[in-house]
Amino acid sequence: GQQVMQIPQYQHVQEGEDFTTYCNSSTTLSNIQWYKQRPGGHPVFLIQLVKSGEVKKQKRLTFQFGEAKKNSSLHITATQTTDVGTYFCAVSTGNQFYFGTGTSLTVIP
Amino acid sequence: SAVISQKPSRDICQRGTSLTIQCQVDSQVTMMFWYRQQPGQSLTLIATANQGSEATYESGFVIDKFPISRPNLTFSTLTVSNMSPEDSSIYLCSVDNWGEGYGYTFGSGTRLTVV
Repeated sequence: GQQVMQIPQYQHVQEGEDFTTYCNSSTTLSNIQWYKQRPGGHPVFLIQLVKSGEVKKQKRLTFQFGEAKKNSSLHITATQTTDVGTYFCAVSTGNQFYFGTGTSLTVIP
Repeated sequence: SAVISQKPSRDICQRGTSLTIQCQVDSQVTMMFWYRQQPGQSLTLIATANQGSEATYESGFVIDKFPISRPNLTFSTLTVSNMSPEDSSIYLCSVDNWGEGYGYTFGSGTRLTVV
């Protein structure tokens, strides 16, 4: 399957600080998806990016797809305790999606 | 998006035994996917299950260990056979909602502990 690395692996932030996680692939991607998994929960779909350089926003979350379609980022502005969880990118090969290594976010109140 | 009911939610099993996990979807879907997530790790795709054909397994996973059934377009089972403590993990099924733009929907997962 596809190999995608995410950095950082862990991130601790004070509530109100910003947070960014990066997803990197060695190959050009057709699209990329982002998921959030709360502690003890299952992954929940956040967004899909398809176009080179695409930027999408969901409230305090900003998702970006690189121009070369080999990397992507998720940025959270002014984190809140409800943002706690692990954020995964997922990339496709055919009909299957392969998940990145994930970034675990802890928000300190 | 689709809603998935996954059972059991958790189980503790003796080594050498088998456990069958069930996933029921509230709509017809072409493909269902089975993932494993070991504690603190990412999700690893086990296999893709299509109705009416044999499942397609990823490297490192074999049918004898993880037999899958897909009798219709709304249901699938994954069996973890001849279990050992290394099989202790969370197993999740999922379906894609691509046509609706909602990515993958996951079942709530089965937390398996093998003792």
